[in-house]
This record gives sequence, structure tokens and C-alpha cells, in this order.
Amino acid sequence: EVQLVESGGGLVQPGRSLRLSCAGSGFTFDDYAMHWVRQAPGKGLEWVSSISWNSGSIGYADSVKGRFTISRDNAKNSLYLQMNSLRAEDTAFYYCSKDRDYDSSGSLDQWGQGILVTVSS
Amino acid sequence: QSALTQPASVSGSPGQSITISCTGTSSDVGSYNLVSWFQQHPGKAPKLMISEVSKRPSGVSNRFSGSKSGNTASLTISGLQAEDEADYYCCSYAGSSTWVFGGGTKLTVL
Repeated sequence: EVQLVESGGGLVQPGRSLRLSCAGSGFTFDDYAMHWVRQAPGKGLEWVSSISWNSGSIGYADSVKGRFTISRDNAKNSLYLQMNSLRAEDTAFYYCSKDRDYDSSGSLDQWGQGILVTVSS
Repeated sequence: QSALTQPASVSGSPGQSITISCTGTSSDVGSYNLVSWFQQHPGKAPKLMISEVSKRPSGVSNRFSGSKSGNTASLTISGLQAEDEADYYCCSYAGSSTWVFGGGTKLTVL
């Protein structure tokens, strides 16, 4: 059974940093691209970032470019999102999701349960 | 990276068909056959319903279908059922390794 489990969320002050992790199991992690998608409470989905199977292709939403960094460690079956200079508008549930292809195709066929990041003083 | 445009809400009676539109630009929907649709029930993670405009993943009912014309993609649900009531989101490739979601559509089954 495919599982994606996010961790590292919580309450953080504006301007501070937080690192999210996503542990994958039940599939060959390094065969697939991965994405982070977020959803502010009561709002819609927003794509945040994606990374190809070998980290050779990486993309960011304009809203996080320059502040967030996506990475992966295929040896540890893990995906990460380093979030710096956090703002109140970054408050959201953050989902880790698996693409169906080694390079992103937008076919996000598996999702984690989501983890809440709250940016507030 | 402007969000794709979806109607805020649509509704239909059981057994009917409904279509949800997703309008982008020539830089995203119009340029790539990489449009996906997701269903999200309250408090749950999204579920992939359609990929690459019209491909239905294994396990997804054949009542769900996707299409695209120009800068607009569409999701059609036929034979509406109570369990289809959910939020639906489209997502398109926007070039340079970036993706964009639509604002979401709330489907109500009357």
C-alpha cells in the first residue's frame, strides 16, 4: 500500500523557518516525481513546488520562489520542503503528493494526509 | 501563474450530467495536454480523477470524463450520484516546470 506521511508542521512566527518532510513507502520512491501542494483553511488548492525523480527538474510557484526549497533523498525515500521567511499567507495544510511519472505530468495519483503550518506571532 | 478559472459552484439532480469548465490561457491549458482533475471531499485529501486531459486512472468510474478545446478544459460527470458531491479542481502545466490549479468548483447533488 502506498503511503505518504508528512511531518514537521506546526506554529511558527513570521520571518522564521520550518522544514517539512514526507516519508514515502509502498512504492519505488526514486521512480517518480513528487510535489508539494497547499490549501489554506477553507480555500482552494495551490501548487507549491515539484521535483523530478533525479532532482534534475525543479519548479516553484511565484508565491514561494526564493523562499522555499524542495529537495529529496531517494536513499531515504523522503521529500523535503525548506520554508524560509515565512509569512502569514503561508498558513495552510501542506500535502505531499506523488506524480505518476518520473518527470512531472501533473498526474498526482497519491496524496499524504496533509500537515498544518500556521504562521502567526 | 494566475489561477485557472472555474465556476464557483454547479449543481445537478441524481442521474443527470454536469460539466465543469476550467479556463486558462495559451500559456497553460492551451499549450499542453497536461490537465488533471481532482475530487476532494470535506476533510479529505484530493483524489486524481482525470489525467492528461482525458485519461481515467484505474478505479475511477467511467461516469467521469475529460476533454479540452483551446484554452478550456472540461470535466463531465454523467449519471450523477450523491457521492459525487465534492469540490473539484483542475490543474494544468504552465511551462518551466510549474503547475497551476483552478479555484475549485463545489458540486451539489440536489
